[in-house]
Amino acid sequence: AQKITQTQPGMFVQEKEAVTLDCTYDTSDQSYGLFWYKQPSSGEMIFLIYQGSYDEQNATEGRYSLNFQKARKSANLVISASQLGDSAMYFCAMREGDSNYQLIWGAGTKLIIKP
Amino acid sequence: GAGVSQSPSNKVTEKGKDVELRCDPISGHTALYWYRQSLGQGLEFLIYFQGNSAPDKSGLPSDRFSAERTGGSVSTLTIQRTQQEDSAVYLCASLIPNRNTEAFFGQGTRLTVV
Repeated sequence: AQKITQTQPGMFVQEKEAVTLDCTYDTSDQSYGLFWYKQPSSGEMIFLIYQGSYDEQNATEGRYSLNFQKARKSANLVISASQLGDSAMYFCAMREGDSNYQLIWGAGTKLIIKP
Repeated sequence: GAGVSQSPSNKVTEKGKDVELRCDPISGHTALYWYRQSLGQGLEFLIYFQGNSAPDKSGLPSDRFSAERTGGSVSTLTIQRTQQEDSAVYLCASLIPNRNTEAFFGQGTRLTVV
């Protein structure tokens, strides 16, 4: 079974609109962390935002926020006021448990911002 | 340097040759990952080193692939008898292994087997 599911292989969004990228996860651990990374066409992986399973508030970093719904096991990335430079692949990842710090990755969503 | 460094950035090799890819992690990062990424695809886990523990090699696709990490720092990924399906970008990432710390990635090595 997939541990990280990103259901949107691709998205087109008009510049300046907000965009939500979906991520659902599957774990039986109580302690885990969720990460979002951006990969532009240049190929580098850029860390965007982190949400811990015990964090009571949704994480925010500038224009990025994480809509964390623990009961639904979803950790959607919200990008406000999208810009052309936001066009990239976006990956959701999870690290679960306390003894093994393996990262589990989703398949990614390709986001294209239209001018 | 301050970041994860990978070399070479590009490698073209003939089918059947061996290649060695290098990763210099961030100093102090005891955990290190190797991933493979084909064009337009997600990250395929290859191997994970964590401190002095035995590495998790469960992602290595065949016995032609091997990796080592010397002195808990530099890591090399070796692919023997390369095949065309080995063509991909090989990414290395390092981190301090805590629950909430992000992995830092190198720029990757683009391997082309001709």
